[in-house]
Amino acid sequence: GNSVTQMEGPVTLSEEAFLTINCTYTATGYPSLFWYVQYPGEGLQLLLKATKADDKGSNKGFEATYRKETTSFHLEKGSVQVSDSAVYFCALSDRSNTGKLIFGQGTTLQVKP
Amino acid sequence: DAGVTQSPTHLIKTRGQQVTLRCSPKSGHDTVSWYQQALGQGPQFIFQYYEEEERQRGNFPDRFSGHQFPNYSSELNVNALLLGDSALYLCASSLGQASEVYGYTFGSGTRLTVV
Repeated sequence: GNSVTQMEGPVTLSEEAFLTINCTYTATGYPSLFWYVQYPGEGLQLLLKATKADDKGSNKGFEATYRKETTSFHLEKGSVQVSDSAVYFCALSDRSNTGKLIFGQGTTLQVKP
Repeated sequence: DAGVTQSPTHLIKTRGQQVTLRCSPKSGHDTVSWYQQALGQGPQFIFQYYEEEERQRGNFPDRFSGHQFPNYSSELNVNALLLGDSALYLCASSLGQASEVYGYTFGSGTRLTVV
């Protein structure tokens, strides 16, 4: 079945460090891929998305490229801030099961000043 | 523009009781999905409603049921509560077949604690 695997956390970085959170997926067909962010005590916010191979999603300095050959969608940011501290979820939406998002287990990011 | 609104924000129930959670979708959205997020885990899909019908269902028992109203708002009902039902319940709205392109908007969730 379809699944998403994220790197385990927590990831602890100093402010202005480079961030990479790995995400790989298993899916039939051509899913859409998403990154969501969850701040403490809140719901999920869509961070960025990509709907086809080689698409690059970007938002607020974060970016991720849909790599079909490696079935990956790694999240990157060049310079993290304390305010980026949150839990990040990678997810896919299988076009054959429209409406069902499959999430990874989440990666906690802690950014220290 | 209001996003997805869920109520209540927190709820404490006793084992065996029944609970109803409510969701109002983002303006312009017609599809509502429900997710269960256990502590430290990613959200798990419960079901989705479109045109007042359940369109797809995840791997949850029949104790979990739902409803969508003509104004697109939705309810999630859970009967015979178990301790393991304690979780954050998230509602997500989207626009029909365009969900894949525009994504899903999530509410802040209802934190259910079963004691």
